[in-house]
Amino acid sequence: EAEVAQSPRYKITEKSQAVAFWCDPISGHATLYWYRQILGQGPELLVQFQDESVVDDSQLPKDRFSAERLKGVDSTLKIQPAELGDSAMYLCASSRDRTGADYGYTFGSGTRLTVV
Amino acid sequence: DQQVKQNSPSLSVQEGRISILNCDYTNSMFDYFLWYKKYPAEGPTFLISISSIKDKNEDGRFTVFLNKSAKHLSLHIVPSQPGDSAVYFCAASGGSQGNLIFGKGTKLSVKP
Repeated sequence: EAEVAQSPRYKITEKSQAVAFWCDPISGHATLYWYRQILGQGPELLVQFQDESVVDDSQLPKDRFSAERLKGVDSTLKIQPAELGDSAMYLCASSRDRTGADYGYTFGSGTRLTVV
Repeated sequence: DQQVKQNSPSLSVQEGRISILNCDYTNSMFDYFLWYKKYPAEGPTFLISISSIKDKNEDGRFTVFLNKSAKHLSLHIVPSQPGDSAVYFCAASGGSQGNLIFGKGTKLSVKP
């Protein structure tokens, strides 16, 4: 069964350092999403890509977060500098098309970030 | 303001009995609703969905009911099994963007 690949699974970083996460969606999935899940909360959308274009980044803290999907395939999410409040699970998901709800997104296993 | 609400943080059920997880929403533009299951340290796994044109959808032991007038949906698991123990997220989508709005989740514990 096809999977969304994410790396690393776990990351511990000191505050003010830079950190990056990588996601490889299911082959052929045009839409890619980055979500952040804080413990005890539901996932919240950070950024949505359609192919290589950003569709929605209204909830992305752009002073420290950046995301790219240069060739419309895999994607990188970066935080610089990291803050203590960034500790969370970062989830990547992909779907066949923009109305991903029809098929349900497929999520990766996530990256658990701890900022110390 | 939360658009998707799961007001019960936790639910405990005996094995073999029915589990009912509830979800309320406020945005009348939502037209697609999904349930996800999540184990610790893993990503959410899609369970079942329902379109706003339907009021019920079944898949094996899982049934989702939608009451549009009350802006309420529920997930029924019958019979419940210990392996169903996980956090269940309700999510909703509407409009052309397709991104999902999630509730805070309900932790289900099924006891043998």
